Order: sequence, then C-alpha cells, then structure tokens
Amino acid sequence: DTAVSQTPKYLVTQMGNDKSIKCEQNLGHDTMYWYKQDSKKFLKIMFSYNNKELIINETVPNRFSPKSPDKAHLNLHINSLELGDSAVYFCASSPSGWGASNQPQHFGDGTRLSIL
Amino acid sequence: KQEVTQIPAALSVPEGENLVLNCSFTDSAIYNLQWFRQDPGKGLTSLLLIQSSQREQTSGRLNASLDKSSGRSTLYIAASQPGDSATYLCAVREYSGNTPLVFGKGTRLSVIA
Repeated sequence: DTAVSQTPKYLVTQMGNDKSIKCEQNLGHDTMYWYKQDSKKFLKIMFSYNNKELIINETVPNRFSPKSPDKAHLNLHINSLELGDSAVYFCASSPSGWGASNQPQHFGDGTRLSIL
Repeated sequence: KQEVTQIPAALSVPEGENLVLNCSFTDSAIYNLQWFRQDPGKGLTSLLLIQSSQREQTSGRLNASLDKSSGRSTLYIAASQPGDSATYLCAVREYSGNTPLVFGKGTRLSVIA
C-alpha cells in the first residue's frame, strides 16, 4: 500500500499552461509538504500545511497555489507555467503532536514536470 | 540561514568496501538529522533519523553518527553492495513542530560489482 502517492508521475506541457499535481497520504498524518528538486538535484521546501492550514510559504511565486481539501490531501496548482518550473515536485507528510518531530517524513515518488 | 553540505558529490567504490558519506550543517542548533536514499526516478526513502541528543543510530549495515556541536554527521555503509548504488541525502530539522527539512545536495554513490 502506497503511503504517499502523487499523480501524475510525469507531466509534459507547454509554457503558459495551467496544471495541477495531486498528493494523497494514507498515514493519518496531520502535516503535508511540497518540495521542489531542481535540475541540480537540490531539494527545497515550497509549502507546508498542517490540518488544512498553510503554515509555511517559502517565497514561492504566487503562480503556485497549494490547496488542502482535507488533511489527507495536498494538491498543487501552477498557473502560467514557465520554463524554470521544470523540476521534480515531491509531496511529503509527517505526524504532528507531542513527540512527532522525531518521526521521519515520508515522501512520494515525485512528479516530473517538463515545460516545453 | 541553515545550509547543509554533503561531500563528496559523487563516489564510486568496488563491491565489498566500507565507505563514509559526510554531511555538515552551518547552524548547530538542530532538532534532528535524517539520512535518505533516493533511487533514480523514485522518491526518498528514510534510512536513519538521529535526534539532537543522540550520537549515533544503526540499521543493518548502516551507521549514522552526529556531532551536533561541530555541525557534522556521517553515514557509514559496511560491506557495500551494488544494490546500495543511489543518491544519499542528508537533511536537518531545525525546530520541533511541523517544520520542513533543509536538505544537502546529496552524494551519488556507485558500487561496482
């Protein structure tokens, strides 16, 4: 059973389009994250949600809009895609509450976004 | 601002060798440190998590150490196998609570049969 699942796995689209990536976790975690891994393989945090509320937004352009319909889902919508958005986007989750900080984060397999 | 550095960027060893991967972080006030493995086209698999109060953690052939005061961690892999070939990522959590991880750029390991 997949703990953190992302769809689609691959996304190829043209510059200027709008696209969404979906993420779901079945671990019962309260906190979910979006990370971006660029062409140099550097992973950086984009957003963090706890119980459907945004708690971290790391100076990401407002073309990126995360949405959390419930605590098991965190979707990422990207408007007006640019060439520089080409990257691998990873969703992750972790528990919250007492002692949760010492639990590992669980990652999905990533969505490979290519902008033509 | 916290920065995580991993050395070397790439490493190639013959099968059976013991090896050490290095990770350093600029701000020693971390909450915990996590080592991940990333296979090509795959997500991240958590290998070991060391709390700031711990010195090391072991899992099978893997041993991770933490020297928080000097801002360093090492991942020791014993008796390496071709299946160990992957990119190994080090990440620190700076605070308790729902804080994201700060990652290094990884070490790409190739174990040659």
